[in-house]
Amino acid sequence: DGGITQSPKYLFRKEGQNVTLSCEQNLNHDAMYWYRQDPGQGLRLIYYSQIVNDFQKGDIAEGYSVSREKKESFPLTVTSAQKNPTAFYLCASSIPLGAGSSYNEQFFGPGTRLTVL
Amino acid sequence: AQKITQTQPGMFVQEKEAVTLDCTYDTSDPSYGLFWYKQPSSGEMIFLIYQGSYDQQNATEGRYSLNFQKARKSANLVISASQLGDSAMYFCAMREGLHTGGFKTIFGAGTRLFVKA
Repeated sequence: DGGITQSPKYLFRKEGQNVTLSCEQNLNHDAMYWYRQDPGQGLRLIYYSQIVNDFQKGDIAEGYSVSREKKESFPLTVTSAQKNPTAFYLCASSIPLGAGSSYNEQFFGPGTRLTVL
Repeated sequence: AQKITQTQPGMFVQEKEAVTLDCTYDTSDPSYGLFWYKQPSSGEMIFLIYQGSYDQQNATEGRYSLNFQKARKSANLVISASQLGDSAMYFCAMREGLHTGGFKTIFGAGTRLFVKA
């Protein structure tokens, strides 16, 4: 079945460590996104990528890094520079919009819950 | 300034009754899309319904309908015949620049819906 997978589901990190969250999709979507969700709040955009080898910062990119070497994969690294990384991280993908095209919704993965010990 | 406002942190509804979840938005872009997502306790985001700024009719998807009032900049979600499985967080979201390849989706803070038996 087509979809988005994120791993691991739960991740624990010690302070000062970098950690990488995996996101893979087999929907053949060009665009991929990373969001952060804090308890009781909405989603905030960290990074997004429209095509392979290209990505842009979202609203809260500081302390995070990404790569997009393959269409299917968009891993997110939470670096030690991220001061408060404990949160729920959601990856999404979508078909890019073109002029005159109709909407397209984002398809989300199941999320990774990151806890800093 | 908040671009998406959901003023109801929590809502209760009796099973089989209808409920309206409020959403107001702010944009100067004439081309935008409005989305509603459901997030159960498991964490995944489930797309429910979409309304484009140029759509003449209100969107409907099964038991979900979107009450789109463009002049008031509101996009309320109506759930008819509530079911116990509708208990979840509901997020309103907006994407601007829809016909120029806009990628950024902005989410509201969400409304938690409780369906009572």
